[in-house]
Amino acid sequence: DTAVSQTPKYLVTQMGNDKSIKCEQNLGHDTMYWYKQDSKKFLKIMFSYNNKELIINETVPNRFSPKSPDKAHLNLHINSLELGDSAVYFCASSQSGTGNTIYFGEGSWLTVV
Amino acid sequence: SQKIEQNSEALNIQEGKTATLTCNYTNYSPAYLQWYRQDPGRGPVFLLLIRENEKEKRKERLKVTFDTTLKQSLFHITASQPADSATYLCALESNFGNEKLTFGTGTRLTIIP
Repeated sequence: DTAVSQTPKYLVTQMGNDKSIKCEQNLGHDTMYWYKQDSKKFLKIMFSYNNKELIINETVPNRFSPKSPDKAHLNLHINSLELGDSAVYFCASSQSGTGNTIYFGEGSWLTVV
Repeated sequence: SQKIEQNSEALNIQEGKTATLTCNYTNYSPAYLQWYRQDPGRGPVFLLLIRENEKEKRKERLKVTFDTTLKQSLFHITASQPADSATYLCALESNFGNEKLTFGTGTRLTIIP
């Protein structure tokens, strides 16, 4: 029973297209995240939502729009995809409060051609 | 600017020896430091958390130290096994209250049989 699940796992698309990645967690956590891991394996936070409210937005281009319909779901929509958007996108969740660990999904491999 | 650096991109250790990984940080006042393991094609998985007022934490063959004066954490795997081969990431939670976890660049550890 997967704790943090995201779909699709692999996505190959052309420049200029719009795509979405969906994420769901069944851990009962109130905070969800999107992280981006680039080709150098550097893992960087993009967004954080707490109880459906955006609390962290790390200077991400506004082509990226997260949406949290409820606290168990956080989707990421990307408009006008660019070559530089190719990366692995990880969804994650945690319970709010300091010192809480983050549970990651398996990642979505996005390749823009 | 804030920076989290892990000593080397890759580390090769003979099976049975102790592997020691280093995480150094600058311009942070971390409340907590965490270590994660990431296997190829998977999301990071939490291993250990150490608080700023703790010097050492152990879990089975794993040991983490945290020196806030040196601004450094050491991660040790004793009696290393080939199954310990993975990328290990340190992550800092700032004590400025936004609960944002920022990851280091990672060290790819290979245990040689």
